[in-house]
Amino acid sequence: QSALTQAASVSGSPGQSITISCTGTNSDIGSYKFVSWYRQHPDKAPKLMIYEVSKRPSGVSDRFSGSKSGNTASLTISGLQAEDEADYYCCSYAGSNTVVFGGGTKLTVL
Amino acid sequence: QVQLVESGGGVVQPGGSLRLSCAASGFTFSSYDMHWVRQAPGKGLEWVAFIRYVGSNENYADSVKGRFTISRDNSKNTLYLQMNSLRAEDTAMYYCAKENYGEWYFDLWGRGTLLTVSS
Repeated sequence: QSALTQAASVSGSPGQSITISCTGTNSDIGSYKFVSWYRQHPDKAPKLMIYEVSKRPSGVSDRFSGSKSGNTASLTISGLQAEDEADYYCCSYAGSNTVVFGGGTKLTVL
Repeated sequence: QVQLVESGGGVVQPGGSLRLSCAASGFTFSSYDMHWVRQAPGKGLEWVAFIRYVGSNENYADSVKGRFTISRDNSKNTLYLQMNSLRAEDTAMYYCAKENYGEWYFDLWGRGTLLTVSS
């Protein structure tokens, strides 16, 4: 049950696009379509942004998109806005009714 | 109103026990698998435990296996986490989270309840 690997921080200017990567193994991301992404503002509960690799829940902006290649999943945010500044976590099913999260990436909007 | 509300957190001495609760409302609680997820101060999210909607199947992170027990009472729309042999490293905000129909993502989270393990 090792955590998925994410960069500690990423930054971008308003209007730009950024991509956050999440690297796992053949036992989690590489084997399942159950990759999700969560946004967490300070002192708030996480919020679902992407599920099943690339699907957006109702109400989530289409500026958020997800993808997966092999053992790596990615979250892309286009047209960066100030409200996007937050921590982002990837998550994957890891088999045997277990789940693993990434270490989190702090997004700064310059 | 669709929501999850955790309670039961507090300050406990190392080696002590505590039970967290999560009250669900606004949806058919008995139809959904549920999870506990925790977040140590200044740290990332860590999955803790899972329970099937009928309560017949559960699993745990290695870090809590043998010490924590997840359970549910569908008649009371409530999820529980019994925590024994608590350690300083269990100090965290504990969130309950609703999973969407076996698809291993969490579409509803509570606001969390804070556990501090300290002497």
